[in-house]
Amino acid sequence: AQKITQTQPGMFVQEKEAVTLDCTYDTSDPSYGLFWYKQPSSGEMIFLIYQGSYDQQNATEGRYSLNFQKARKSANLVISASQLGDSAMYFCAMREGRGAGKSTFGDGTTLTVKP
Amino acid sequence: KAGVTQTPRYLIKTRGQQVTLSCSPISGHRSVSWYQQTPGQGLQFLFEYFSETQRNKGNFPGRFSGRQFSNSRSEMNVSTLELGDSALYLCASSLKGQGQTNTGELFFGEGSRLTVL
Repeated sequence: AQKITQTQPGMFVQEKEAVTLDCTYDTSDPSYGLFWYKQPSSGEMIFLIYQGSYDQQNATEGRYSLNFQKARKSANLVISASQLGDSAMYFCAMREGRGAGKSTFGDGTTLTVKP
Repeated sequence: KAGVTQTPRYLIKTRGQQVTLSCSPISGHRSVSWYQQTPGQGLQFLFEYFSETQRNKGNFPGRFSGRQFSNSRSEMNVSTLELGDSALYLCASSLKGQGQTNTGELFFGEGSRLTVL
């Protein structure tokens, strides 16, 4: 069964600094997708970044990058130059297989950006 | 382009009642999935529909059911409500399964917050 582990319930970062949110996963399927979502206090989940299991390079989207270490089964999210608006809950998720399938989410990390 | 729309946004029910939640996906998205979010259990997958067919189902009792219509709109129903059903119910749509290039990220609605008294 697929499993996502986020070991940091809460993180603090100073504005303009970089922060890394940890995510490890477990799956026996060689084909999978890894995602990060942001959930502000308003409740709506927002897609941030995607990494496919066969992708050779780490994904980047603006200030977000994904540090993908396949052998370690980790997919850490790096946010550079943190902004106050980055304060939110962040979820790591995985979807197995090539079909649409279901996504398994981690428990989330609450990030607080300090001014 | 309109996002995922969920109705109602908030509702209060009592134990034993039933509830129906509605979700309109992004235009062109045929995959719709539902998740339950609670402080204790986190985000739990309920079910996924694609072209009116349920393709995946999570580990929830039969009181939880859903369906998808020909226009891709989806509804989920919870019968005989229990206190533990109080949660934020999130609907998400996706392009996955409709092409080779899309990555299948989920586009979420704002959720329906259900309180069971």
